[in-house]
Amino acid sequence: QQPVQSPQAVILREGEDAVINCSSSKALYSVHWYRQKHGEAPVFLMILLKGGEQKGHDKISASFNEKKQQSSLYLTASQLSYSGTYFCGTERDYGQNFVFGPGTRLSVLP
Amino acid sequence: GAGVSQSPSNKVTEKGKDVELRCDPISGHTALYWYRQSLGQGLEFLIYFQGNSAPDKSGLPSDRFSAERTGGSVSTLTIQRTQQEDSAVYLCASSLGGGYRPQHFGDGTRLSIL
Repeated sequence: QQPVQSPQAVILREGEDAVINCSSSKALYSVHWYRQKHGEAPVFLMILLKGGEQKGHDKISASFNEKKQQSSLYLTASQLSYSGTYFCGTERDYGQNFVFGPGTRLSVLP
Repeated sequence: GAGVSQSPSNKVTEKGKDVELRCDPISGHTALYWYRQSLGQGLEFLIYFQGNSAPDKSGLPSDRFSAERTGGSVSTLTIQRTQQEDSAVYLCASSLGGGYRPQHFGDGTRLSIL
């Protein structure tokens, strides 16, 4: 079952913050986050495992709330290079039932 | 090269023809995924190979689609009797194994059915 992402699209000014959410009605084993720029292949950002954790590098971080089966991706002080479509991918068990969400289109304007 | 390699990068064919798309995963990666992405849309799962296990074919849209993976490495996605709705970018990804492993994507094959 495909996870739900919100918002569908967001427009920011450079330096602003954004949060993208990914939720599932099923219990999850892991949540993946990828970014795809126009005309390019998706690029891996990070993975979070059940048990509830938070990860981050540079100004992009994420959390996974196991009780809510929801993950949030946080983009802080956004840069022009952050523009693209962000996909979450969820896995219900180890190596099984991996499915991507519909994506969130992020546009960062100067 | 160290990345996932897909060929051809572009394929234009007539409706009703068969096409084969190739994916060379990163060496040592046991898991291989095929996805389809229509213009402006998300990533539609097609099929998943993991080691010597039976592939997960649950995403294949019809029996015109098939895929195989030889020797645990190269994979071929075959579409028979192509239809215009098959037009899309077909992406391949590989990872070190199923479960909490990052997927590394190839640049995709852009398939256009006339």
